[in-house]
Amino acid sequence: EAGVTQFPSHSVIEKGQTVTLRCDPISGHDNLYWYRRVMGKEIKFLLHFVKESKQDESGMPNNRFLAERTGGTYSTLKVQPAELEDSGVYFCASRQGTHGELFFGEGSRLTVL
Amino acid sequence: DQQVKQNSPSLSVQEGRISILNCDYTNSMFDYFLWYKKYPAEGPTFLISISSIKDKNEDGRFTVFLNKSAKHLSLHIVPSQPGDSAVYFCAASGTTSGTYKYIFGTGTRLKVLA
Repeated sequence: EAGVTQFPSHSVIEKGQTVTLRCDPISGHDNLYWYRRVMGKEIKFLLHFVKESKQDESGMPNNRFLAERTGGTYSTLKVQPAELEDSGVYFCASRQGTHGELFFGEGSRLTVL
Repeated sequence: DQQVKQNSPSLSVQEGRISILNCDYTNSMFDYFLWYKKYPAEGPTFLISISSIKDKNEDGRFTVFLNKSAKHLSLHIVPSQPGDSAVYFCAASGTTSGTYKYIFGTGTRLKVLA
């Protein structure tokens, strides 16, 4: 069974540009989460999808961040326009059911210059 | 406001000895706790979890203890092995309006010395 996959693994962009990160959860997992880790700090919650619906987006930093999950399958996280403080590793995780462990992808490292 | 705290950024332990990693939380609504291990350039991987109805859960060399009154949990690794060297994250969740949001700590870097 394939795990959570994320693309790209690393992206380097200039301030003001746009980047789109993609996450493919484990097949059948209705719950999909986005997290971000900046400079060795905590793994910070961004948002939670249940199927295609945003269940909780309280962690999204501002309106430069847009997450979608069309059809309840893969998800994208777009940053537009990117700022220097957006640099970090963006993790996607998925889970089956209402409880239990999260399965994480390997992360997408974003560097904004 | 950091709801899940790991106050020790790093820990070094001799191979074969016990490693104890600590985690404190502030939200009394948390009822499910997890530990994750993370190697460099990889995503976190699940280690062990505990529900608030228990005070101990064991899986091989890993044991998690939960003290609800102190809002404290700990992960014990016995015996520690060099392959256990990684960053360990504590996470907590609780139902809020019917959703589960997992809150992570800042991590503790464990180094097991051969």
